[in-house]
Amino acid sequence: DTAVSQTPKYLVTQMGNDKSIKCEQNLGHDTMYWYKQDSKKFLKIMFSYNNKELIINETVPNRFSPKSPDKAHLNLHINSLELGDSAVYFCASQDSGRAGEQFFGPGTRLTVL
Amino acid sequence: SQQGEEDPQALSIQEGENATMNCSYKTSINNLQWYRQNSGRGLVHLILIRSNEREKHSGRLRVTLDTSKKSSSLLITASRAADTASYFCAMVGEQGAQKLVFGQGTRLTINP
Repeated sequence: DTAVSQTPKYLVTQMGNDKSIKCEQNLGHDTMYWYKQDSKKFLKIMFSYNNKELIINETVPNRFSPKSPDKAHLNLHINSLELGDSAVYFCASQDSGRAGEQFFGPGTRLTVL
Repeated sequence: SQQGEEDPQALSIQEGENATMNCSYKTSINNLQWYRQNSGRGLVHLILIRSNEREKHSGRLRVTLDTSKKSSSLLITASRAADTASYFCAMVGEQGAQKLVFGQGTRLTINP
């Protein structure tokens, strides 16, 4: 009964390819996020969706396109992958009625060769 | 930017000792949170302290917040080997959407 799950856990691909990462939460939360953690462990928010609507877009290249088919799912599609996209991507969810605690998925380690 | 800075970047202590990590930030906040990340895992929420609070406890954790100095500290008492992890502070600003802005983390190693 995993709260926030991501697939795949590992993703190795060539430069220029297009790939997707999926996230699902079974907590009944209305807000979901994507974060990127670089090799120095620095975590930065990328996107946030509330009830399927985009509410945060943090100056992310438009090669990154999030999609929220329903409030339990937030997927991340990346076009034309670049070496600098290699990182660990974390999905998180939150009940917007409770200011604060976010629940994180286990992460997807993306390696672009 | 509201990015936090954590100090020290790495800390190594003996089991049973107390560990203190500090976090400083730049702008006004609604709340500040601490998260733990075990190697290769996602982040786990530890504790949240609101801007009008000065101290909070949760088990062996004690968090303080000084809004005048824009700083917070996390104290882990009687450390255990299982406390080995990276610890991150994260701030939620006063206005706008609720997004966490993270510090760069403190890597804590507890030696048995």
